[in-house]
Amino acid sequence: AQSVSQHNHHVILSEAASLELGCNYSYGGTVNLFWYVQYPGQHLQLLLKYFSGDPLVKGIKGFEAEFIKSKFSFNLRKPSVQWSDTAEYFCAVKEDSSYKLIFGSGTRLLVRP
Amino acid sequence: EAGVTQFPSHSVIEKGQTVTLRCDPISGHDNLYWYRRVMGKEIKFLLHFVKESKQDESGMPNNRFLAERTGGTYSTLKVQPAELEDSGVYFCASSQGAPYVVSYEQYFGPGTRLTVT
Repeated sequence: AQSVSQHNHHVILSEAASLELGCNYSYGGTVNLFWYVQYPGQHLQLLLKYFSGDPLVKGIKGFEAEFIKSKFSFNLRKPSVQWSDTAEYFCAVKEDSSYKLIFGSGTRLLVRP
Repeated sequence: EAGVTQFPSHSVIEKGQTVTLRCDPISGHDNLYWYRRVMGKEIKFLLHFVKESKQDESGMPNNRFLAERTGGTYSTLKVQPAELEDSGVYFCASSQGAPYVVSYEQYFGPGTRLTVT
């Protein structure tokens, strides 16, 4: 069965620090990849997604992610975090022919001002 | 455009009682999904509607859970009778597109936090 691993459950950074959140998945076929974010008190919203093409994907609010097929990874990055990036981040995978999202367990990011 | 809405935002019930959660998808979205997050673990898929039809209910935990989507608009998820392990956050999501077009973004609601005591 497909699974998604997020390596860090809690991350604490100071403002302006660089961020990288790890995500690995287990599935050998064609996948679509997503990062969702849930800010405190808000809905889950899509940060970025990869379906095909350039493996370096840029999303909203300065986030980007790189799909490395050989490593089954889709790590999320941001060069300089802000206090407003405090949120929980979820990596999700979907088989190309499916509609069902498989989520990781989430990473809580706290950015100290 | 109104987003996905869910009601109630929080429900506290006793073990053995019944609870019904409601989801209103984005207008025009044929696809509606239910997900659940238990105890801070991963968000897990429960089921998928296309209009009023259940396309996939492979994630439903057991027959205490019943989902409906009469008329293909809003959906309800009933838990009867509720057990302690049913506590968690229940998310609803919707997406546009034909049943087998899978590249559309899923828009999530705020979730319903269910606490069973």
